[in-house]
Amino acid sequence: DTGVSQDPRHKITKRGQNVTFRCDPISEHNRLYWYRQTLGQGPEFLTYFQNEAQLEKSRLLSDRFSAERPKGSFSTLEIQRTEQGDSAMYLCASSLGVANEQFFGPGTRLTVL
Amino acid sequence: AQKITQTQPGMFVQEKEAVTLDCTYDTSDPSYGLFWYKQPSSGEMIFLIYQGSYDQQNATEGRYSLNFQKARKSANLVISASQLGDSAMYFCAMREGRAQGGSEKLVFGKGTKLTVNP
Repeated sequence: DTGVSQDPRHKITKRGQNVTFRCDPISEHNRLYWYRQTLGQGPEFLTYFQNEAQLEKSRLLSDRFSAERPKGSFSTLEIQRTEQGDSAMYLCASSLGVANEQFFGPGTRLTVL
Repeated sequence: AQKITQTQPGMFVQEKEAVTLDCTYDTSDPSYGLFWYKQPSSGEMIFLIYQGSYDQQNATEGRYSLNFQKARKSANLVISASQLGDSAMYFCAMREGRAQGGSEKLVFGKGTKLTVNP
């Protein structure tokens, strides 16, 4: 399967713990996006990478959140000192520069107790 | 102000009938793209169809067509011959102009839950 993959698919953690999610985009896709989706809402943009450079961050991305894409391939999203409000589905998408479509992964569902 | 508005929280349709899911958008950018995604209960976002703001004809992809009315700023999704497997959440999204260096992030509506009845 050459689609976007995300790991883990589900994560349950206690408030105050740190969590890290991984996204593997489609091979050769230079653009990578992170979105967050809460219950009953559409996905909301968090951050964007072009190759290894993080070029845009949403105001939603507080200083507890950090994202990396060290070699322009996979990306990680870390949330420090998780809060109950961080409970959501975290979606990763990738695209090739001139393509219209963003391909989404299956998401990581985070539950903060 | 919301950039993408989907006014139908839920829609029901009989199997084999057609259904229209509404989407209106707000932008002052002359160059933009409109997308529809399907999200089954498994959570993955599945791309359905794309319409560019300069496209002269309405986009079609199999049973999906996009009724693009630029003056009204609407981009409704039409699903013909509904199938049970079409039951899912449907999201309309917009990507604003491809300004140089822009992220081309998508802005999504709140979605419409479609239920196809046998």
